[in-house]
Amino acid sequence: EAQLLESGGGLVQPGGSLRLSCAASGFTFSSSAMSWVRQAPGKGLEWVSVIYRGGSSPLYADSVKGRFIMSTDSSKNTLYLQMNSLRGEDTAIYYCVKGKTAWGQGTLVTVSS
Amino acid sequence: DVVMTQSPLSLPVTLGQPASISCRSSQSLVHSDGNTYLNWFQQRPGQSPRRLIYQVSNRDSGVPDRFSGSGSGTDFTLRFSKVEAEDVGVYYCLQGTQWPWTFGQGTKVEIK
Repeated sequence: EAQLLESGGGLVQPGGSLRLSCAASGFTFSSSAMSWVRQAPGKGLEWVSVIYRGGSSPLYADSVKGRFIMSTDSSKNTLYLQMNSLRGEDTAIYYCVKGKTAWGQGTLVTVSS
Repeated sequence: DVVMTQSPLSLPVTLGQPASISCRSSQSLVHSDGNTYLNWFQQRPGQSPRRLIYQVSNRDSGVPDRFSGSGSGTDFTLRFSKVEAEDVGVYYCLQGTQWPWTFGQGTKVEIK
């Protein structure tokens, strides 16, 4: 059974940076499409980024393009999201997702001064 | 971007009764490969989302058969044959045909 454990969330000032991690287990990480999805407090869902395997580049939502960078380390079965130039509207729970079926519990990012 | 519009946004239901949620897309969700990538997710209070339905009408493993999906093109429906107490939560449609993948606003299902 796929398991995903996010970490790295916290409070950061506007303009700051944060790196989220997602430790994956229970499946072949190197061959699975992986994503980040976020949910602002009390709001709906937004698919932030996705990476297909086989050397393709990640895709990003316009709201984060140029500020967020998604990457993977297959030797550690870990997915990352480097978030730069953070804004208040980036405040959300960030979920790590395998395909569309396995979701982590999420990590909360709060952008505030 | 493809805009997904759900209705209603709030759905009070009676236990044991049927119910349905509508999802409409701003453009056809038929992919060039011939498939239609319309998904339905359930998010129970305090939990992560869980996919129920993929490609319009296919139930994910472990999803009760009281949930069913239907539709085509731009018009889709999630149906509950008989609502149970554990169905309380927010339901989202998601289109995965065109990037960026987009969700509907969510429909909150609650027991009357």
